[in-house]
Amino acid sequence: GAGVSQSPSNKVTEKGKDVELRCDPISGHTALYWYRQSLGQGLEFLIYFQGNSAPDKSGLPSDRFSAERTGGSVSTLTIQRTQQEDSAVYLCASSPLLTGSGGYTFGSGTRLTVV
Amino acid sequence: KNQVEQSPQSLIILEGKNCTLQCNYTVSPFSNLRWYKQDTGRGPVSLTIMTFSENTKSNGRYTATLDADTKQSSLHITASQLSDSASYICVVSAASRRRSQGNLIFGKGTKLSVKP
Repeated sequence: GAGVSQSPSNKVTEKGKDVELRCDPISGHTALYWYRQSLGQGLEFLIYFQGNSAPDKSGLPSDRFSAERTGGSVSTLTIQRTQQEDSAVYLCASSPLLTGSGGYTFGSGTRLTVV
Repeated sequence: KNQVEQSPQSLIILEGKNCTLQCNYTVSPFSNLRWYKQDTGRGPVSLTIMTFSENTKSNGRYTATLDADTKQSSLHITASQLSDSASYICVVSAASRRRSQGNLIFGKGTKLSVKP
């Protein structure tokens, strides 16, 4: 597609339920990032995928969070046993280059509300 | 510690007026600096990107400046419009042989409101 597509755009879930957020990056982009943006806060790095390399999971806040990227394209961020503090906008970004100042394109995000 | 600080946190201006947003960083080694505009409910959209050797870059009514010596950047918006109401995020990229999560350091943004 022309841009980074994220779905759903909004998700309301009950505390304790599992949720899956999807990111469809720009075709051909080798790098994919997940970020979390809480109200009034900056973007918080979660996880980074680059090609077939092992992902950088250093930003995941707990073991309830996991992500996978199938076939080097679509990525799914899964949050298990959601908590109210998980409420945030989850943004995905992709970029085409391995190194240097390559452009990052963001999706519109998924607004997650845990009630 | 690599950090990006933005000021002011929020700003209200009248339509047609100019404004300047500030970004100070302590990222090293420095690779580049980006300004993003994030409309409510949308993902950030890139406005400008500057490398070490660039002092200024324009994108329409947006002009970004960079002083790599003082590690400061500014984003100047000329003749503001209602559609400029958004959050403006400064993002600094640290130089690395291998791209990783640590390469991008985000400021918390400045929330700009343009009133008629």
